Amino acid sequence: AQSVTQPDIHITVSEGASLELRCNYSYGATPYLFWYVQSPGQGLQLLLKYFSGDTLVQGIKGFEAEFKRSQSSFNLRKPSVHWSDAAEYFCAVVNMEYGNKLVFGAGTILRVKS
Amino acid sequence: GAVVSQHPSWVICKSGTSVKIECRSLDFQATTMFWYRQFPKQSLMLMATSNEGSKATYEQGVEKDKFLINHASLTLSTLTVTSAHPEDSSFYICSARDRRTSSGELFFGEGSRLTVL
Repeated sequence: AQSVTQPDIHITVSEGASLELRCNYSYGATPYLFWYVQSPGQGLQLLLKYFSGDTLVQGIKGFEAEFKRSQSSFNLRKPSVHWSDAAEYFCAVVNMEYGNKLVFGAGTILRVKS
Repeated sequence: GAVVSQHPSWVICKSGTSVKIECRSLDFQATTMFWYRQFPKQSLMLMATSNEGSKATYEQGVEKDKFLINHASLTLSTLTVTSAHPEDSSFYICSARDRRTSSGELFFGEGSRLTVL
């Protein structure tokens, strides 16, 4: 079975600092990869996705992520964090050979300090 | 972009009653919808896969008689929590896949918070 690992449960960064949220997956072939953001008590918003092609993908709100096959990683980055970015971030993977199910990582809570 | 709507957003009910949550794809047809449950400070756990016109497929450990799923049309799936108990209190989120794409991208509803007293 595939799995998604987000090693960091909490991350705190200063406003204006750069951010990197880690995501690793275990799956042999190239999966479809996603990053979602969830604000407290709300649903999920898609930040970006990777299906194929350019391994560096741009998303909304200034986020980007890079797919590295050799490391089985899909880390999320932002050059300068804003206070409004404080939320929980989920990495997710779809395995098209596993019933098209979307499997989520445990999530990383981002705190932004001013 | 594709929009998925969930209703109700909030529901409070007494123990022993049943609660129905609707999930609608507003501007696309979804042959497959997924229901997730999220406990406080935890990730989303897939409960079941809802396929239009057929029985839902439940994940291991999810009681199908407890969580009834119906996917009667290409734009609507419902989750009914039967004889709800306080331990069923949770945040339930549905998602839908546009039948026109094979990319695997899911569109999520806003979620429904259930509180059972």
